[in-house]
Amino acid sequence: QVQLLESGPGLVKPSQTLSLTCSVSGGSINTGSSFWSWIRQPAGKGLEWIGRVYATGSTDYNPSLKSRVTISVDTSKNQFSLKLTSVTAADTAVYFCARQAATAAFDIWGQGTVVTVSS
Amino acid sequence: QSVLTQPPSVSGAPGQRVTISCTGSSSNIGAGYDVHWYQHLPGRVPKLLIYGNDNRPSGVPDRFSGSKSGTSASLAISGLQAEDEATYYCQSYDTSLSAFWVFGGGTKLTVL
Repeated sequence: QVQLLESGPGLVKPSQTLSLTCSVSGGSINTGSSFWSWIRQPAGKGLEWIGRVYATGSTDYNPSLKSRVTISVDTSKNQFSLKLTSVTAADTAVYFCARQAATAAFDIWGQGTVVTVSS
Repeated sequence: QSVLTQPPSVSGAPGQRVTISCTGSSSNIGAGYDVHWYQHLPGRVPKLLIYGNDNRPSGVPDRFSGSKSGTSASLAISGLQAEDEATYYCQSYDTSLSAFWVFGGGTKLTVL
């Protein structure tokens, strides 16, 4: 059974770069039909899709975040990563990694990790 | 403000049936894109409840059902149970300038 686990700093200073990694276990990230996404949820608010990566490295991003986001994949480590630059307090949220199946639904989610942007 | 509109809250007594609406537009649901539904319990991981408008993943009780018509979709929960109290989100694909995949704002279900 595929499982996802986020890791990374829980506190980031304003204007710096937020970096998170999602480790995939129980299956290969290099599957034919799955995309690997990052989704976030600010406190008290709804879910926001950040972007996704395919095993080949191909990416898609939320247009509202595109200028600040980079998502990459490391198939040798069965991991994918998120970098969000020039963060502000508005980027404080729970960050989830998730698998997007061929149906386009997010069928497997990580536990989520809280990232706070504060000096 | 999400491009998919959900009521902020709904409620129902145990055993009753409730529905949660998800209203979109011609750039998402109305364009024929599938709608998916998630259940999110506080402090837990969002769980896929319905995919492809009306399909249940293995393990999801048949009390949960989804439908789609025109520019809207609905999630119905019958035989309401206390454990169903959660926030429910719809999700679809949007071709406007906002984003590729979008979520509704979420609906908090309270079991009275």
